[in-house]
Amino acid sequence: DTGVSQDPRHKITKRGQNVTFRCDPISEHNRLYWYRQTLGQGPEFLTYFQNEAQLEKSRLLSDRFSAERPKGSFSTLEIQRTEQGDSAMYLCASSRTSGGAYNEQFFGPGTRLTVL
Amino acid sequence: DQQVKQNSPSLSVQEGRISILNCDYTNSMFDYFLWYKKYPAEGPTFLISISSIKDKNEDGRFTVFLNKSAKHLSLHIVPSQPGDSAVYFCAALLVDSGNTPLVFGKGTRLSVIA
Repeated sequence: DTGVSQDPRHKITKRGQNVTFRCDPISEHNRLYWYRQTLGQGPEFLTYFQNEAQLEKSRLLSDRFSAERPKGSFSTLEIQRTEQGDSAMYLCASSRTSGGAYNEQFFGPGTRLTVL
Repeated sequence: DQQVKQNSPSLSVQEGRISILNCDYTNSMFDYFLWYKKYPAEGPTFLISISSIKDKNEDGRFTVFLNKSAKHLSLHIVPSQPGDSAVYFCAALLVDSGNTPLVFGKGTRLSVIA
């Protein structure tokens, strides 16, 4: 399967614990995005990388959230001291980059986080 | 403030009839618009898109119409099939600014009744 993969698919944790999610993009894609989707909402942008550089972070990304893409391939999203409001589907997407044209973002299946 | 709005949370249509899903946006800088389809427990999958220089794009049973002056786009599905039942998200971005992240609406749940 050459699509975007995410691990784990489901995570249940207690409030205050740290969690880490992984995303493996399509191999030739140099751009990687993280989005969050809560109940009744569309996906909301969190952050994105071009290769290993983190280019933009949304105001939704509080200090408890950190994302990395150390070698420009897979990425991790860590949430420290989880809160019940962090319960959501965390979606990863990847795309190529070519100037002046739209580059389709391909989404992974998501990681559903439940904070008890 | 929501830059992309889908004001109908749900829509029910009979099989074989037309489904029309609507979307409004507020940011006149958006230059590319997309529709994504999402099934439960899966990520969104791309359906159809349109550049701001066009007013219509067609792909099989799916047609997207763009009215820039009204800042409105719509997705038409003809004929509707039970397998089209899913949540549909409208999204927009700025391609000319280097493919900014997607801005999504809240989605419309389409139910196609056999």
